[in-house]
Amino acid sequence: KAGVTQTPRYLIKTRGQQVTLSCSPISGHRSVSWYQQTPGQGLQFLFEYFSETQRNKGNFPGRFSGRQFSNSRSEMNVSTLELGDSALYLCASWDTSYEQYFGPGTRLTVT
Amino acid sequence: GQQLNQSPQSMFIQEGEDVSMNCTSSSIFNTWLWYKQDPGEGPVLLIALYKAGELTSNGRLTAQFGITRKDSFLNISASIPSDVGIYFCAGPGYNFNKFYFGSGTKLNVKP
Repeated sequence: KAGVTQTPRYLIKTRGQQVTLSCSPISGHRSVSWYQQTPGQGLQFLFEYFSETQRNKGNFPGRFSGRQFSNSRSEMNVSTLELGDSALYLCASWDTSYEQYFGPGTRLTVT
Repeated sequence: GQQLNQSPQSMFIQEGEDVSMNCTSSSIFNTWLWYKQDPGEGPVLLIALYKAGELTSNGRLTAQFGITRKDSFLNISASIPSDVGIYFCAGPGYNFNKFYFGSGTKLNVKP
């Protein structure tokens, strides 16, 4: 089985722009979570989706949004980018076992 | 709320030494997961534990699910340079409504 894929792997944006990141889960996995990872903050939970429904949301401003499609693929969007949004964005998928499998991440740099 | 406290924060060891790290929670966990993350990559699942007292090995790695269900341990025997990375403990909370990550143990192995 192919693993979790994330695109793009690297992205450079300027302040004020918006960005969309994509995640394709492992085949058969219906749950997807997104995390932001920065050196000082560790892994911060953004949101969790199951069958196109957002089940949980972390403590992030409304500029961060996401969605999940019927094929379980997920996207997250960040609008009005700020310098502090520079981070590694990780997506994980899992089935009923709760073993989350991560993608390689998207490194976002905001200048 | 539930939190995972992971220690030590970092370790500097000599190649060939054994390593031990642990994770504790203020609340009961039903599943403990251990991940390893290389710089700039997504975490990789190493070991999953589902039962109190369970001891599971994956090569030179051994993890245990604490009897109290509030802690877990990861041991690495005969460390090698490629063991370098950050090790995270994680798991779904008692009600399976949220996923928690420890702050990570950064392992450095000197050849």
